[in-house]
Amino acid sequence: DVKVTQSSRYLVKRTGEKVFLECVQDMDHENMFWYRQDPGLGLRLIYFSYDVKMKEKGDIPEGYSVSREKKERFSLILESASTNQTSMYLCASRRQGDFNEQFFGPGTRLTVL
Amino acid sequence: GENVEQHPSTLSVQEGDSAVIKCTYSDSASNYFPWYKQELGKRPQLIIDIRSNVGEKKDQRIAVTLNKTAKHFSLHITETQPEDSAVYFCAASMRYNTDKLIFGTGTRLQVFP
Repeated sequence: DVKVTQSSRYLVKRTGEKVFLECVQDMDHENMFWYRQDPGLGLRLIYFSYDVKMKEKGDIPEGYSVSREKKERFSLILESASTNQTSMYLCASRRQGDFNEQFFGPGTRLTVL
Repeated sequence: GENVEQHPSTLSVQEGDSAVIKCTYSDSASNYFPWYKQELGKRPQLIIDIRSNVGEKKDQRIAVTLNKTAKHFSLHITETQPEDSAVYFCAASMRYNTDKLIFGTGTRLQVFP
């Protein structure tokens, strides 16, 4: 059974703080993703990682960076949190290759005050 | 750019009725179309998917149809039950990177007893 976990379910931070969101998967998946979920906007891709130390910008990378030092862990970093980054953040992972399912983590609801 | 449009944004049905959610994609090279269900407070989970070489796929009360010519695909839920109440997301694979998905904006389905 695939398990994708995220470090926090709820997080409250102040404007300007550096924020780290952690995601861990236990199925040796090559691909990992960070999405942002906002009402009416669906799931928007922030960053994507093909494999360890490999990353690619998604649709909305501004204000975010990522780190993938180990295969099982994909971190999302908000360099200087702003109120417009208040959102639900979802991590996902999948095995490399066509037609493979993306498995999602439980999400982190981040509030930036 | 590539995008997926999803309609309606909200859908209310009586228990036992059918529900249909429609999505249109822009990239004719998309070849994989999954549907995810997200119950309140939970992670999105894959419920059904279809590949571009198939026109229809069924799994008990849910079915997905694909019209490649028109570039649209639909989710059909028959004999709806209250536990079908959730947000449903369609998605399509991207042309130059089939590891990535473009998600629709979601449909909130409410099934009234």
